[in-house]
Amino acid sequence: GAVVSQHPSRVICKSGTSVKIECRSLDFQATTMFWYRQFPKQSLMLMATSNEGSKATYEQGVEKDKFLINHASLTLSTLTVTSAHPEDSSFYICSATRDYPYNEQFFGPGTRLTVL
Amino acid sequence: AQTVTQSQPEMSVQEAETVTLSCTYDTSESNYYLFWYKQPPSRQMILVIRQEAYKQQNATENRFSVNFQKAAKSFSLKISDSQLGDTAMYFCAFMKQSRGSQGNLIFGKGTKLSVKP
Repeated sequence: GAVVSQHPSRVICKSGTSVKIECRSLDFQATTMFWYRQFPKQSLMLMATSNEGSKATYEQGVEKDKFLINHASLTLSTLTVTSAHPEDSSFYICSATRDYPYNEQFFGPGTRLTVL
Repeated sequence: AQTVTQSQPEMSVQEAETVTLSCTYDTSESNYYLFWYKQPPSRQMILVIRQEAYKQQNATENRFSVNFQKAAKSFSLKISDSQLGDTAMYFCAFMKQSRGSQGNLIFGKGTKLSVKP
């Protein structure tokens, strides 16, 4: 149990276009979902925290108008990179938590975004 | 604010040998969890082991064990009988345990472990 999927696994887009990444908890209802960004050979950087039906909480320095997060249900959160630029190219990882027995985070497999 | 420090950017070990990865953290919280995550080349984050701060007994999971020193704020990971499949990035992480906590993880910078045949 506790599987989190991400789609797509990799995406290549042109500069200026928008890209949507989906994160789903497949077998549990997630109280909270997190979005991370990971640069090569670096740690995970938390971008935002989202709860179903609420506005996402963004970390300092993360542009909320560029990285739109929608948490439509207890099993689905989406990250939309708007007007993507080459510097947005990165590996994006989502995770989902459930309350019991503690707030364990279950990670998705990640999405590699390449902006040309 | 909490911080997690991994002072070894890279380590290597011979297959079947034992290796210890270091992690220190700083917090004023009394209740928290500590974790070690593995990120293999596939980049899927995998939970290796978890330690509750209120437990004095060190957590173990098969070949993986921790040395949790609460007073020293140290949380090292020992991998016994290293296998080629253990080659990965290892991240130490901290999570506050409190009512209303959403479970935010604070990660260290990671240690790249290479297991050599």
